[in-house]
Amino acid sequence: GAGVSQSPSNKVTEKGKDVELRCDPISGHTALYWYRQSLGQGLEFLIYFQGNSAPDKSGLPSDRFSAERTGGSVSTLTIQRTQQEDSAVYLCASSLRWDEQFFGPGTRLTVL
Amino acid sequence: KNEVEQSPQNLTAQEGEFITINCSYSVGISALHWLQQHPGGGIVSLFMLSSGKKKHGRLIATINIQEKHSSLHITASHPRDSAVYICAVSSRNTDKLIFGTGTRLQVFP
Repeated sequence: GAGVSQSPSNKVTEKGKDVELRCDPISGHTALYWYRQSLGQGLEFLIYFQGNSAPDKSGLPSDRFSAERTGGSVSTLTIQRTQQEDSAVYLCASSLRWDEQFFGPGTRLTVL
Repeated sequence: KNEVEQSPQNLTAQEGEFITINCSYSVGISALHWLQQHPGGGIVSLFMLSSGKKKHGRLIATINIQEKHSSLHITASHPRDSAVYICAVSSRNTDKLIFGTGTRLQVFP
């Protein structure tokens, strides 16, 4: 079956522009996560959606970052007024509750 | 101090060697995950465990809850095992993962 998909795979943008990153989770997975991996750095948690519960936004680095999950399926991560330090690979994962997470291939964001 | 510590950071081995990667954590957890990331590739979940030991092929993962420690073992290592291995924990009451910094493994033929 289809895994987690993300689009675009690569995004180059200019400083100050807004970007939207999309994640399509595995069908039926109630949990969806966004993580970030900066160059040479480890993975860090950004935001977590579980069913109809309020999302856990505790990892978002600033108010320029926001995410939505529509209809309990597709999620969009939006970064407003991008900065160079936002350059990273943004990873989405999905899972059933309390189960292993399946990761998408990531979106590589480069802010010039 | 990071909540999840891995050692070693880098590891080189000859093909066929037995490999151990260690992970220690300082928070209460609901589960511990071992992930694999190939260069330029995505992340694959290898194991999720909350007690005892799990085995899949040449890979073995163990966890000691009392000591807050886990190990990932690779038997009869092969160059295709070369990757970054990441330990992560999901803390109690939440599924979100807290990651270690990873162990970069290179296996030479």
